[in-house]
Amino acid sequence: KAGVTQTPRYLIKTRGQQVTLSCSPISGHRSVSWYQQTPGQGLQFLFEYFSETQRNKGNFPGRFSGRQFSNSRSEMNVSTLELGDSALYLCASRVEDRSNYGYTFGSGTRLTVV
Amino acid sequence: AQKVTQAQTEISVVEKEDVTLDCVYETRDTTYYLFWYKQPPSGELVFLIRRNSFDEQNEISGRYSWNFQKSTSSFNFTITASQVVDSAVYFCALSEARGTSYDKVIFGPGTSLSVIP
Repeated sequence: KAGVTQTPRYLIKTRGQQVTLSCSPISGHRSVSWYQQTPGQGLQFLFEYFSETQRNKGNFPGRFSGRQFSNSRSEMNVSTLELGDSALYLCASRVEDRSNYGYTFGSGTRLTVV
Repeated sequence: AQKVTQAQTEISVVEKEDVTLDCVYETRDTTYYLFWYKQPPSGELVFLIRRNSFDEQNEISGRYSWNFQKSTSSFNFTITASQVVDSAVYFCALSEARGTSYDKVIFGPGTSLSVIP
C-alpha cells in the first residue's frame, strides 16, 4: 500500500513568488492535513481538508491556502513568499474511523525562500 | 485550549541505557487521543502509538513502553536498552474529539534524543 506522497521534495523560491505543493494521500484516506515545521515554531497546523471541504484551519495568514480534489489529493499554495516561509511542509492523511485514528505523514517538501 | 508540553529539549544517553521522554498535556475534553511520533533525520514523522483517553493501560512494544496517567495529564515514553537507531526527535501529540471524528492534532515541541555509541 503506497504511503503519503508529497511533491516536490525540495523547492527554492524567491521572495515574492508563489508556490504550490502537492500531496497524494493513502488510498481510501479522505482527510488530508498540512503542517509547517520550523526550528523556532515546531510543528504548526495549517489546515485540514475532508471531502473537498476545508474542515479546520490554523492561525496562518491568508497567503496560505489549500484545496482538495475529488480523488482526495490536496494542494497547498503560498502566495507572496516571505523569507519566514522557509520550512518543511508536511502532509498527513487519515481515515475517519475512531478505532483506527491516526495520521500517516509524507516525507515533506522542504521549501527555501531566498 | 489544548496544549502539549515536552520539557526536555535534548537528551543524550549512552547506548544500552534506558531513557524516558516526558509529555504533559492540557485539555478540557474528556474524550481525546494521545500520540507519539518519531522523526528521524530523514524528516518523515513515523507513528509510534495512539492511546485514547478511556484507556489508561500501559503499553509495551519491544523496547518501547508508554505510561499514561490521566491524574497527572502525562503520557511518558520509555526506551529500554537504547540503540543508536533510536536517535531522532520524538513528538508527543494530542487530538480532541469533534462530533464523530477528531480535531486537528496538536504537537509538542519535541525532544531530540541522541544515543551515543
